[in-house]
Amino acid sequence: EIVMTQSPATLSVSPGERATLSCRASQSVSSNLAWYQQKPGQAPRLLIYGASTRATGIPARFSGSGSGTEFTLTISSLQSEDFAVYYCQQYNNWWTFGQGTKVEIK
Amino acid sequence: EVQLVESGGGLVQPGGSLRLSCAASGFTFSSYEMNWVRQAPGKGLEWVSYISSSGSTIYYADSVKGRFTISRDNAKNSLYLQMNSLRAEDTAVYYCARERVWEQWDAFDIWGQGTMVTVSS
Repeated sequence: EIVMTQSPATLSVSPGERATLSCRASQSVSSNLAWYQQKPGQAPRLLIYGASTRATGIPARFSGSGSGTEFTLTISSLQSEDFAVYYCQQYNNWWTFGQGTKVEIK
Repeated sequence: EVQLVESGGGLVQPGGSLRLSCAASGFTFSSYEMNWVRQAPGKGLEWVSYISSSGSTIYYADSVKGRFTISRDNAKNSLYLQMNSLRAEDTAVYYCARERVWEQWDAFDIWGQGTMVTVSS
């Protein structure tokens, strides 16, 4: 099983600031990586697939990068609606999720 | 509107059974692969099971293999998860999720609102 490790567990950011979230795979997943956002009491929402392609309707302030084992989700200027938990998911070998990064208001 | 709506969750005793349903609307259900994903209270996401668009290919996470059965009825636009021999550690919100493929990439692009399963005596 491919293990996905996200860091940090919690990220405290002020509105308008940049947030950088990391995701590491225990073995190469090529670019078979997606990012999801989840708010309390809601289902996850797809943000990024193919490591760097934004899903339909996702604002340009969200960007993804990386390949192999190291990936990054960047939110260029945090809006109030962006405070949530973010998960990475690999689909190179079955499907596994990271444990999540909570982005909270500083 | 593209939508997935789960139902069938509830409280069940350890060792018991439950059948979850997921009703799809707003898209051609028979063209899509589908998955079940669960989330224990306060925890992260765990993939549970996959079924191909025709139902001919099925996969399970090791944690549920031999106890859970995924199925679908394309005529009824519905996905199911039969859960037997339930354990306390199966307590979670269960989501159905549509798997979308773009060339060589895929991801879960549509999720239901989830249904809560509680296994407790």
